[in-house]
Amino acid sequence: GNSVTQMEGPVTLSEEAFLTINCTYTATGYPSLFWYVQYPGEGLQLLLKATKADDKGSNKGFEATYRKETTSFHLEKGSVQVSDSAVYFCALSNFGNEKLTFGTGTRLTIIP
Amino acid sequence: DAGVIQSPRHEVTEMGQEVTLRCKPISGHDYLFWYRQTMMRGLELLIYFNNNVPIDDSGMPEDRFSAKMPNASFSTLKIQPSEPRDSAVYFCASSLVGPLGGNTIYFGEGSWLTVV
Repeated sequence: GNSVTQMEGPVTLSEEAFLTINCTYTATGYPSLFWYVQYPGEGLQLLLKATKADDKGSNKGFEATYRKETTSFHLEKGSVQVSDSAVYFCALSNFGNEKLTFGTGTRLTIIP
Repeated sequence: DAGVIQSPRHEVTEMGQEVTLRCKPISGHDYLFWYRQTMMRGLELLIYFNNNVPIDDSGMPEDRFSAKMPNASFSTLKIQPSEPRDSAVYFCASSLVGPLGGNTIYFGEGSWLTVV
């Protein structure tokens, strides 16, 4: 079946630090991959996505590249801000299964 | 365009009471999802609908939970009787088509349920 494994949190960084949140997946075929972000007290919002191998999704300074050879979709940002403090979820969808499969989420806190 | 609208935002109820959570999906979206989020289990898909028809309810925890979608603009998730372990944030989400091919799922702000 499909599964997503995310880096355990929580992660605490100083402002302007480099961020990496690891995500690996298990799936057959060619799933679509997503990063969602959840700000305090809110629902999840799509941050970025990639639908085929070697695609790079990007948004708000965040990037993630779909690596089929390593079954990974790591989230990166070069210089984080306090406003990036949130919970980040990696997810996938796959043919034959309409559901999004989510990772456990990684809580990120940025300190000034 | 209004997003996914959920009500109530917060509810505190006593064990044994019936709880009804409501959701209005984004107009024109064919898929509707109910998720539950807890610290212990993270984000779990409970059930989803396509064109008002339940497609997969394998995530519904037990018979105390039921969900309906009587029309394209309204869905309910009901818990009867409620128990303290049902305390969680319940999210409704909708999408124009399914998430295959990278289609985006839009989430509501959640209903925060506490059962005491």
